[in-house]
Amino acid sequence: DAGVTQSPTHLIKTRGQHVTLRCSPISGHKSVSWYQQVLGQGPQFIFQYYEKEERGRGNFPDRFSARQFPNYSSELNVNALLLGDSALYLCASSLHGGYGYTFGSGTRLTVV
Amino acid sequence: GQQVMQIPQYQHVQEGEDFTTYCNSSTTLSNIQWYKQRPGGHPVFLIQLVKSGEVKKQKRLTFQFGEAKKNSSLHITATQTTDVGTYFCAGRLETDKLIFGTGTRLQVFP
Repeated sequence: DAGVTQSPTHLIKTRGQHVTLRCSPISGHKSVSWYQQVLGQGPQFIFQYYEKEERGRGNFPDRFSARQFPNYSSELNVNALLLGDSALYLCASSLHGGYGYTFGSGTRLTVV
Repeated sequence: GQQVMQIPQYQHVQEGEDFTTYCNSSTTLSNIQWYKQRPGGHPVFLIQLVKSGEVKKQKRLTFQFGEAKKNSSLHITATQTTDVGTYFCAGRLETDKLIFGTGTRLQVFP
């Protein structure tokens, strides 16, 4: 079985641009969460979705948005990119919110 | 806001020595999870603790959840070089949010 897949693996964007990151959860997993991890720090919670509904939102500006599709895949969108948005963006899936998460390998975003 | 702190931030040990990392939350947690992240990798789920005072073991790893469900610990007996990585606790709030701790980076010298 495939694990959590994220695309792209690496991305370089310019300040002010928009980016879309994609995530496919493990088959059967209905919960998807997004995290931002800056080098040397722990993952910071951005969003959680379960059954296509937003279940939680972290302390991130409105430039960050996400959605979950009927097949449970998910997209994270970031508008008006700032240099400080450079980080590893991790997607994690679980059967539902109460179980342990399986993380994807992440998307490394660099904003220049 | 809710915070989950871990100590120590770094730990260097000789292979064969024991290692412990401590996790403290500013709020009561519904459960706590532990993850390991190897350098350049992504977090990998180790275990989940749910009950107050719960203790679970996985080979050389012992996990404990505090009585007040606000703290937790991970103890590794007789560390090996394969134990190298950063260990994160992650506390789940009633709202389903999973908040990661600050992490403890473990280095093991042969």
